[in-house]
Amino acid sequence: GDSVTQMEGPVTLSEEAFLTINCTYTATGYPSLFWYVQYPGEGLQLLLKATKADDKGSNKGFEATYRKETTSFHLEKGSVQVSDSAVYFCALTDSGGGADGLTFGKGTHLIIQP
Amino acid sequence: DSGVTQTPKHLITATGQRVTLRCSPRSGDLSVYWYQQSLDQGLQFLIQYYNGEERAKGNILERFSAQQFPDLHSELNLSSLELGDSALYFCASSAQKLNGEQYFGPGTRLTVT
Repeated sequence: GDSVTQMEGPVTLSEEAFLTINCTYTATGYPSLFWYVQYPGEGLQLLLKATKADDKGSNKGFEATYRKETTSFHLEKGSVQVSDSAVYFCALTDSGGGADGLTFGKGTHLIIQP
Repeated sequence: DSGVTQTPKHLITATGQRVTLRCSPRSGDLSVYWYQQSLDQGLQFLIQYYNGEERAKGNILERFSAQQFPDLHSELNLSSLELGDSALYFCASSAQKLNGEQYFGPGTRLTVT
């Protein structure tokens, strides 16, 4: 079945550092890829998405590129802020696999220190 | 605010009981999804409804059921509750039937004692 693998962390960085959170996936069809963010005590917020190979999703300084050849969708940000501290989830939908719900990775807990 | 509402915010109940969680999707969204978030299983897709009809099933237990009403709100029914059912239950909605962006509600925290 479909699956998403990402580093679980916690990942601790200093403010203004460069961020990379790795995400790789397996899927039977042609998935759409997403990054969601969850702040403490809240629901998930869509951060960015990409629907086909080589698409780049971007939002709030975060970027991720859909790499079909490496089945990856790594999240990057050039300069992180304390307010970026949260749990980040990589996810996919793959209607070719028979279900259209999101398949999530286990989440990466990001801690940004001042 | 995603525009998706869920009630109640917290629910505490005993083993063997039955509960109903409610979700109102964003205005105009026809798809509703239910997810369970627990420490050991992570985030798991349970079930999807589109315009009142069940469209896709994920890892939903037979003790759990859902429905979507003509006004598009949805309910998730959990019965014969076990301690392991304690989790956060999220509802999400989407304007599309397939591969659409999903917008999540704030969740219902269920504690089974």
